[in-house]
Amino acid sequence: AQSVAQPEDQVNVAEGNPLTVKCTYSVSGNPYLFWYVQYPNRGLQFLLKYITGDNLVKGSYGFEAEFNKSQTSFHLKKPSALVSDSALYFCAVRGLNTGFQKLVFGTGTRLLVSP
Amino acid sequence: DGGITQSPKYLFRKEGQNVTLSCEQNLNHDAMYWYRQDPGQGLRLIYYSQIVNDFQKGDIAEGYSVSREKKESFPLTVTSAQKNPTAFYLCASSPEFGGGNTEAFFGQGTRLTVV
Repeated sequence: AQSVAQPEDQVNVAEGNPLTVKCTYSVSGNPYLFWYVQYPNRGLQFLLKYITGDNLVKGSYGFEAEFNKSQTSFHLKKPSALVSDSALYFCAVRGLNTGFQKLVFGTGTRLLVSP
Repeated sequence: DGGITQSPKYLFRKEGQNVTLSCEQNLNHDAMYWYRQDPGQGLRLIYYSQIVNDFQKGDIAEGYSVSREKKESFPLTVTSAQKNPTAFYLCASSPEFGGGNTEAFFGQGTRLTVV
């Protein structure tokens, strides 16, 4: 069964510092991996995805994520955090098996960027 | 503008009452999904639909029902059998069933509260 773990409920970082939000996954075979961001009382917005190819994926708003197959991780990163990055971040995985492959989400990590 | 529209944004339900949450998309997507979001639990899949007139139960379908009479619409009914319906409900769509390497697009959510 597919699963995603986001080990940190909350990440605190000062504005201007680099940030990392961790994600590990479990899936049979190769995964499709996604990061979404959610602002209060809003839907999820897509940030970036890993399908194949380069392990470093660049996405919206200056975010990037590194796929590490040996560690089954897909950590979200940003070189310099902004206060406006404060939000709830979700990692998600979908397997490559045939048939319906539902998108499985982690429990989310709240990012707080202080001025 | 293309997108997914959920209504209403806030909904209050009395004990023993059925309520229906609306989800409409104009993205011409085949697949549509309903997720429930509770604090600390991430997103859980309620129902999904691959194509018009077809839908399948997700992980937590008990107490919910759906229909897919039109490609654009995927309403969710929360029945009186759902014992703990207070939550944030998110509708999503993707271009093809399972979505594969394509990301899902989310609506802005409906917050349902039992009063």
